[in-house]
Amino acid sequence: DPKIIQKPKYLVAVTGSEKILICEQYLGHNAMYWYRQSAKKPLEFMFSYSYQKLMDNQTASSRFQPQSSKKNHLDLQITALKPDDSATYFCASSQDVGGGNTLYFGAGTRLSVL
Amino acid sequence: AQKVTQTQTSISVMEKTTVTMDCVYETQDSSYFLFWYKQTASGEIVFLIRQDSYKKENATVGHYSLNFQKPKSSIGLIITATQIEDSAVYFCAMREGPASSGSWQLIFGSGTQLTVMP
Repeated sequence: DPKIIQKPKYLVAVTGSEKILICEQYLGHNAMYWYRQSAKKPLEFMFSYSYQKLMDNQTASSRFQPQSSKKNHLDLQITALKPDDSATYFCASSQDVGGGNTLYFGAGTRLSVL
Repeated sequence: AQKVTQTQTSISVMEKTTVTMDCVYETQDSSYFLFWYKQTASGEIVFLIRQDSYKKENATVGHYSLNFQKPKSSIGLIITATQIEDSAVYFCAMREGPASSGSWQLIFGSGTQLTVMP
């Protein structure tokens, strides 16, 4: 059974709308992350959280807002969607944040903005 | 700022042979951690192996091993006895040590597409 669950697997949205990407991990990890992968681009770091606290934010836009209701949840709210937001969004987790902690990834949510 | 570079866009090898994928990195930190992941055709990202900068011995896990050349800032991934199912995109990644602000993020290279042919 997958230990990092992302929902939905596929998502289609219209420009200007708002969507929430869900991520839950059952590895008992204290740190969670969001990454984005656009077509033909490397994995791009977005956010890191530790014990529900934001540690690093590399997104230029405030339209992307992580939401952590529990230590094992880190959802991603995206507002005012644009076609350029089309990408696969991966959630990841590690035992703790920083240093040698290994990240484990969920299966991703593929977002298409029309 | 940290940076990871994979110059090989794609590699094709015959099954049961050995392949090496290159990766060079840039960091100002004396302590850092290097990782290799693979992304399968289904999109799944799987952790393979890691190397801690303070360890002189090259890491080995199953048929994956690393060629860590610290003076050259290089961390090559070696896959021996390749199998068809090793066909995937391989990503090199780096995270700086806990004393650095760069430790909060794992930075990835652009990836190398490996195709293993029968």
